[in-house]
Amino acid sequence: DAGVTQTPRHEVAEKGQTIILKCEPVSGHNDLFWYRQTKIQGLELLSYFRSKSLMEDGGAFKDRFKAEMLNSSFSTLKIQPTEPKDSAVYLCASRDWEDTQYFGPGTRLLVL
Amino acid sequence: GDQVEQSPSALSLHEGTGSALRCNFTTTMRAVQWFRKNSRGSLINLFYLASGTKENGRLKSAFDSKERYSTLHIRDAQLEDSGTYFCAAGDTNAYKVIFGKGTHLHVLP
Repeated sequence: DAGVTQTPRHEVAEKGQTIILKCEPVSGHNDLFWYRQTKIQGLELLSYFRSKSLMEDGGAFKDRFKAEMLNSSFSTLKIQPTEPKDSAVYLCASRDWEDTQYFGPGTRLLVL
Repeated sequence: GDQVEQSPSALSLHEGTGSALRCNFTTTMRAVQWFRKNSRGSLINLFYLASGTKENGRLKSAFDSKERYSTLHIRDAQLEDSGTYFCAAGDTNAYKVIFGKGTHLHVLP
């Protein structure tokens, strides 16, 4: 079984660039989450989709972060414009209704 | 304040011993999940509980929604258990999941 897939695994961007991270959830899962992980803040929720509808947009992350889910098997997270403080690991997770979340391997972003 | 308080933030154990990690919640949570971050940085599911206890090998987890806490017990710790453990809890809306800040476990020979 394919788990959650994320691409790219690593990304280096310069300040002010636009980057797009991609996620493919587990086939058949209804919920998809985007998280950011840093050593200081730990894991923070960025966005949450249920059946492709945006349920939670992460409040403080609204202005430069935009997650989209145009179909049930693919989601993107756009960061525009990037800032050095965005350097972190970005994790995508999916789950089947209110069950266990399955996490992807993450994308490690470095913004110079 | 944080809705999920995980403790301790760091823990050292000698091989063969055991201990417990704990997450306290400031509000009623519907379910809790425990993860371990592996050497590649991926989050690996350990347990998902909506109530009661679950056991898997040397790990055992409990969740009490009414008392607002969850625990993860590790017994007979092995070197390969070293890593960072996270709890994550879902509130009464079911979909919002809040993570603890993690426990860095170091198992010593």
